[in-house]
Amino acid sequence: EAGVTQFPSHSVIEKGQTVTLRCDPISGHDNLYWYRRVMGKEIKFLLHFVKESKQDESGMPNNRFLAERTGGTYSTLKVQPAELEDSGVYFCASSQFLSSGNTIYFGEGSWLTVV
Amino acid sequence: GENVEQHPSTLSVQEGDSAVIKCTYSDSASNYFPWYKQELGKGPQLIIDIRSNVGEKKDQRIAVTLNKTAKHFSLHITETQPEDSAVYFCAALYNFNKFYFGSGTKLNVKP
Repeated sequence: EAGVTQFPSHSVIEKGQTVTLRCDPISGHDNLYWYRRVMGKEIKFLLHFVKESKQDESGMPNNRFLAERTGGTYSTLKVQPAELEDSGVYFCASSQFLSSGNTIYFGEGSWLTVV
Repeated sequence: GENVEQHPSTLSVQEGDSAVIKCTYSDSASNYFPWYKQELGKGPQLIIDIRSNVGEKKDQRIAVTLNKTAKHFSLHITETQPEDSAVYFCAALYNFNKFYFGSGTKLNVKP
């Protein structure tokens, strides 16, 4: 069974440009999460989808970040326009229902550098 | 919400020694505590977890303990090996839908 896959694995863009990150969750996982880790800091929650609906987007830093999950399958996270402080690694994770004793599984991450 | 603190931020041990990483959490409603290992260039991988109705769990050289009263949990690695070198994250599940993570511990096992 395929794990959580993310694309691109690495991206270097200039300040002001746009980047779109993609996540394909594990098949059958309704829950999809985006997290971000800035160098040396904790892994911070960005948002949570249940199928195609945004369950919780309280961690999104500002309106330069837009996440979508069309049809409840893969998700995209767009940063537009990118700023220097957006650099970091963006992790996607997926899970079945957590209240049933399941856990979340992470992808390899998309490493973003804004120069 | 929840606040998870993790210590130490870096830990260096000699091969064969034990390593202990500690985390505290703030919300007594949190009930599930996984530990993740992140190797260079990879995503976090679940290595062990514990639920709030259990005080200790062991899997070969890795163990996790939970003290609900004090709201802290710890990761113990015995007989460390160079391949244990990585960044380790603790996490607490809050409200059944959101994980809060510690800031990570970089473990270096010296051969």
